[in-house]
Amino acid sequence: DADVTQTPRNRITKTGKRIMLECSQTKGHDRMYWYRQDPGLGLRLIYYSFDVKDINKGEISDGYSVSRQAQAKFSLSLESAIPNQTALYFCATSETGTSYEQYFGPGTRLTVT
Amino acid sequence: EDKVVQSPLSLVVHEGDTVTLNCSYEVTNFRSLLWYKQEKKAPTFLFMLTSSGIEKKSGRLSSILDKKELFSILNITATQTGDSAVYLCATSHSGSARQLTFGSGTQLTVLP
Repeated sequence: DADVTQTPRNRITKTGKRIMLECSQTKGHDRMYWYRQDPGLGLRLIYYSFDVKDINKGEISDGYSVSRQAQAKFSLSLESAIPNQTALYFCATSETGTSYEQYFGPGTRLTVT
Repeated sequence: EDKVVQSPLSLVVHEGDTVTLNCSYEVTNFRSLLWYKQEKKAPTFLFMLTSSGIEKKSGRLSSILDKKELFSILNITATQTGDSAVYLCATSHSGSARQLTFGSGTQLTVLP
């Protein structure tokens, strides 16, 4: 079984709709991240969380919100989706300690029409 | 503003060729540089480099970091079609945030 899972894997939605992307992990890591990937722009950080009570904005948080429901669950919401939020979204985790390695989920391809 | 720049943006080679991918960076509080491989799905970790001049190797892949000139290279020898992927370079920063700053990637295509 995958250590980091994301649902849904693909989603098409309309402008103005609210949508939630979910991430679950079985790695036991405290730190979780949400990225978006656009062609030619690499991965950009949206939000990150060190534990259930600690949420931080990343480079491109406008238009997004997050919820850390438990150590293993981190959700990303688009309150009112717009077409330029069409992208591939990745959740990632890392452990507390000296390692900077992050483990990525399979991604959610979101299309906003 | 932190920057990570990869070159070339794309590369097409034939099986058996050797390739060198480049990553340069300008970041504050640099801690380490990481390489990931992305094959149409989640990026998978390849290497993390923290010290200059120490080569990391894994099979046909190797990487080295130059902290004076602020760059890293990823070498792949005797390329195979399975090496076709986007290779991502990322830097990490000292402090509690543990954020990674990614480059835009190099798309490598290995033809049979």
